[in-house]
Amino acid sequence: DAMVIQNPRYQVTQFGKPVTLSCSQTLNHNVMYWYQQKSSQAPKLLFHYYDKDFNNEADTPDNFQSRRPNTSFCFLDIRSPGLGDAAMYLCATSRDPSTPSYEQYFGPGTRLTVT
Amino acid sequence: GQNIDQPTEMTATEGAIVQINCTYQTSGFNGLFWYQQHAGEAPTFLSYNVLDGLEEKGRFSSFLSRSKGYSYLLLKELQMKDSASYLCAVINSNYQLIWGAGTKLIIKP
Repeated sequence: DAMVIQNPRYQVTQFGKPVTLSCSQTLNHNVMYWYQQKSSQAPKLLFHYYDKDFNNEADTPDNFQSRRPNTSFCFLDIRSPGLGDAAMYLCATSRDPSTPSYEQYFGPGTRLTVT
Repeated sequence: GQNIDQPTEMTATEGAIVQINCTYQTSGFNGLFWYQQHAGEAPTFLSYNVLDGLEEKGRFSSFLSRSKGYSYLLLKELQMKDSASYLCAVINSNYQLIWGAGTKLIIKP
């Protein structure tokens, strides 16, 4: 089945210790997104790739970086995690948003804990 | 600014009907989504509306009025497994997806 896969599902890291979350997709979608979601809040878009074009949201902290080495994979790097970065990180993919009835397909998410 | 308003929490009884409202103010409109999100899991797609009117899909229906900036999600014959958060999201004129904070629906036996 075509899908969006995120690894690991649960990640524990220490304060200030770099961590990388990964996402892969078999849907062959050209857009990939990274969201941060805290409890009872809306998903917050951190950045997205349209093919290889990187789009950073204005309020995404510099502490967050992303890489997309090819169509299938995308990585989220948190350079120096703080306690406030503990959250669920969601990867999503979609076709071109201007196409009819585009929707975002989500991976299962990675729950990040910072100790 | 752009914002999506939904009730924070609703409670309903198993077997009943519930309507979850969503109002939006965005820079342009290119469609509205409803997603379901169970606790600790990723959102899953429920419905998409771009034209005014009602879209029915099994026990779930979604309604849109673009002139009023308003949508609702109607859930019929509620089951315990419908306990989840329901997120409303709007595509604006820049094709950005603007998310509401979600409505937590609690189903009681």
